[in-house]
Amino acid sequence: KNEVEQSPQNLTAQEGEFITINCSYSVGISALHWLQQHPGGGIVSLFMLSSGKKKHGRLIATINIQEKHSSLHITASHPRDSAVYICAVGNYGGATNKLIFGTGTLLAVQP
Amino acid sequence: DAGITQSPRHKVTETGTPVTLRCHQTENHRYMYWYRQDPGHGLRLIHYSYGVKDTDKGEVSDGYSVSRSKTEDFLLTLESATSSQTSVYFCAISNRESTGELFFGEGSRLTVL
Repeated sequence: KNEVEQSPQNLTAQEGEFITINCSYSVGISALHWLQQHPGGGIVSLFMLSSGKKKHGRLIATINIQEKHSSLHITASHPRDSAVYICAVGNYGGATNKLIFGTGTLLAVQP
Repeated sequence: DAGITQSPRHKVTETGTPVTLRCHQTENHRYMYWYRQDPGHGLRLIHYSYGVKDTDKGEVSDGYSVSRSKTEDFLLTLESATSSQTSVYFCAISNRESTGELFFGEGSRLTVL
């Protein structure tokens, strides 16, 4: 079983829909990252969370440390939101600074 | 945007040849990472560095070596490339000491024939 599981693996939505992508993890963490990767493109950091909730524009990320779960929400989705969304968790204790990545959620928003 | 660049962006090489990928940052961040991205595997850590001349192995380090002689440069070397090393390689930097944010390079697509 992977230490970081994302769901769904693939998601198709209509423009304007509210979208939720989930991330569950099984290890202790210091922080959780949400990343975005457009097809053939680079990787952009959207959020880093250690507790609670963060909002940036139409994107909202939440984390529940006790349940080891995080969600990424996209409100009023748009075709330009089509991308792979990647969850990564990090434990920054000690000398290591390693991240464990989920395999990503491929989102397609149709006009 | 964070100043991080990778070179080359694309490379085709033959099995058995040496290859070096370069990651250059202008942010003065202490932590630098090399990942490879393959379908179905997500991003996997090859090596990382936590300072000049301080490096450590990741989960898929076999066949790779790294060097960091300056804060701004982190080199990834494939001493003798194999077809299994065909992948997209991403460099990342982290300002772990402050916000902990990650910044990624544009990626280097390597094809080993």
